[in-house]
Amino acid sequence: EIVLTQSPATLSLSPGERATLSCRASQSVSSYLAWYQQKPGQAPRLLIFDASNRATGIPARFSGSGSGTDFTLTISSLEPEDFALYYCQQRSNWPLTFGGGAKVEIK
Amino acid sequence: EVQLVESGGGLVQPGGSLRLSCAASGFTFSSYWMSWVRQAPGKGLEWVADINQDGSEKYYVVSVKGRFTISRDNAKNSLYLQVNSLRAEDTAVYYCARDNTYTSSWYGFDSWGQGTLVTVSS
Repeated sequence: EIVLTQSPATLSLSPGERATLSCRASQSVSSYLAWYQQKPGQAPRLLIFDASNRATGIPARFSGSGSGTDFTLTISSLEPEDFALYYCQQRSNWPLTFGGGAKVEIK
Repeated sequence: EVQLVESGGGLVQPGGSLRLSCAASGFTFSSYWMSWVRQAPGKGLEWVADINQDGSEKYYVVSVKGRFTISRDNAKNSLYLQVNSLRAEDTAVYYCARDNTYTSSWYGFDSWGQGTLVTVSS
């Protein structure tokens, strides 16, 4: 099983600041990595697929990078609605796995 | 507009069974892989099972193998998860999601339902 480790677990930032979230895979997942945002009481929403492609309707302030085992989700300038939980997920090998999640909270 | 609507959750005793359903609309259901993902209260996301377009390929997380069965009815645009021998640790919100995979390309789990809560307790 491929383990995805997200860091940091919590990021405390102010609106307008840059957020950088990391996802590290225990073995290569090529570019089969996605990022999701989840707000309390809501289903997850796809942000990034194929490591670096924004999903439909996702603002340009969200970007993804990386390949192999190391990936990054960057939010260039935090908006109030961006304070939420973020998960990475791989579809390189069965079983599919999610990272443990990272919370972006208001400082 | 793509819509996924889950149903079938509820309170069940340990060892009991439920059949979760997901009604799909707004897209050609038979063209997509589909998935179940769960989230225990206050915890992260856990992928549970996946099924390909015609139901000939099915994959499961180890913890549910032999207890859960994913299936689909393309004529009814519906996805199912039969959950048997339920344990307290199966308590979670169960989401269905569209797994947008095409040949060797993956476009993520691009649509999700609102989830259905399964509570396993005596």
